[in-house]
Amino acid sequence: EPEVTQTPSHQVTQMGQEVILRCVPISNHLYFYWYRQILGQKVEFLVSFYNNEISEKSEIFDDQFSVERPDGSNFTLKIRSTKLEDSAMYFCASTSWGAEQFFGPGTRLTVL
Amino acid sequence: GESVGLHLPTLSVQEGDNSIINCAYSNSASDYFIWYKQESGKGPQFIIDIRSNMDKRQGQRVTVLLNKTVKHLSLQIAATQPGDSAVYFCVSRLKGAQKLVFGQGTRLTINP
Repeated sequence: EPEVTQTPSHQVTQMGQEVILRCVPISNHLYFYWYRQILGQKVEFLVSFYNNEISEKSEIFDDQFSVERPDGSNFTLKIRSTKLEDSAMYFCASTSWGAEQFFGPGTRLTVL
Repeated sequence: GESVGLHLPTLSVQEGDNSIINCAYSNSASDYFIWYKQESGKGPQFIIDIRSNMDKRQGQRVTVLLNKTVKHLSLQIAATQPGDSAVYFCVSRLKGAQKLVFGQGTRLTINP
């Protein structure tokens, strides 16, 4: 069964450094998403991406964040200058027609 | 906006019993609802969904009930098994929007 994959599973970085989280969505899907989950809290929407542009974003997704689909298979989330409060699990999701979203296993980001 | 709340943060049931997890949402403009299951260290996994033009939907051992009058959603799991132990998220989506709004989650524990 096809699934969303994410790399790395765990990323440790120093405050102020840039990080890129990578995702490979399910191959025939057209809509892509990033969510995050701070430890012990609920899952929060960050951004949705369709037809090579951002279709919706939350107030969390400020100028420090960017997304890109650099080729036909990868979908990336970049955080330009990480802060301590960016520490969280980051989940990528995809869907073929905008309904049921399939989530990846997540990347745990730790900012020191 | 939309917010989603669960009635109980934890639920403990005996193996073989039925489980009911309840949820309330705030925005009557929500038109799509999903229950996700999250096991430790994994991403949210789709269980079942329901659109606002329905009031009941059944899957394998799971049933979702939607009461739009009181903005209430429930997930029923029949004959609960140890593998059902997880955190269950009630999720909604506003009509025309892409983002999913997650509730806080209910941790379901199965007692042998």
